[in-house]
Amino acid sequence: AQRVTQPEKLLSVFKGAPVELKCNYSYSGSPELFWYVQYSRQRLQLLLRHISRESIKGFTADLNKGETSFHLKKPFAQEEDSAMYYCALPQGAQKLVFGQGTRLTINP
Amino acid sequence: DTGVSQDPRHKITKRGQNVTFRCDPISEHNRLYWYRQTLGQGPEFLTYFQNEAQLEKSRLLSDRFSAERPKGSFSTLEIQRTEQGDSAMYLCASSLDTGYPNYGYTFGSGTRLTVV
Repeated sequence: AQRVTQPEKLLSVFKGAPVELKCNYSYSGSPELFWYVQYSRQRLQLLLRHISRESIKGFTADLNKGETSFHLKKPFAQEEDSAMYYCALPQGAQKLVFGQGTRLTINP
Repeated sequence: DTGVSQDPRHKITKRGQNVTFRCDPISEHNRLYWYRQTLGQGPEFLTYFQNEAQLEKSRLLSDRFSAERPKGSFSTLEIQRTEQGDSAMYLCASSLDTGYPNYGYTFGSGTRLTVV
C-alpha cells in the first residue's frame, strides 16, 4: 500500500534561513504528490502539486524517484510560513494518503 | 458560496450517544470526502461520494459509522454508540470530477468531536 513518511514532527528555523521539509513515499509507478498546508486557525489547503512544477509562496518541491522523496523547500523562510505541512500521495484513483505532518516554526 | 461548510464546529457527547455531523460542499463539486484526524496525525480517509453514490469506505469506518449524501449535495456522517476512541477532528472535503483525478481538495474547517 502507498505510504507517506514525514520524518520530522517539528522543524524550527530562523527567518531568512533556508527551509526543507522532508517527505518520503512508497509507491509503485509514477506518483503524483502534493503538499498541503494548515496555517493557524485556518483550513487545510493545497499548497502545491508536483505535476504543475510551480512555485507557490516561494516554495518548490522536486520529485526524486530514485530516493522516493518529495521534499518541500524554500530558500529564505518568512515568519508567515509557520504552519503545519502535510505531504500527500494518491491511493487508488480517488483518495489521498497524508503523512503525519511537520510543524514548521519560523523564529524572528 | 463560501467554500465547504461543516456543522457543528464542536461537539461534546457522552459515551454511548449518537452524533451526526453535516457537510455542505462547494455547490458545483460532485465529489465529497470524509477524513478523520487525531492529535499528531495527518488526515485519514474514511469515505467518499461521487454525487449521491458512496463509492469507497475505509476499514476505519466500523459498523457504527454511516455516511449519506442523499441528493448529491450535502452529506451527513453519523456515529452510533460513540466511544472515547472516536474523539477526533472530522474533516469534510470536496472536489470537482473533471474526468481526470483531481486531488485538489477544498477542505472544511472540521467538526471536533470529544467523547467523555
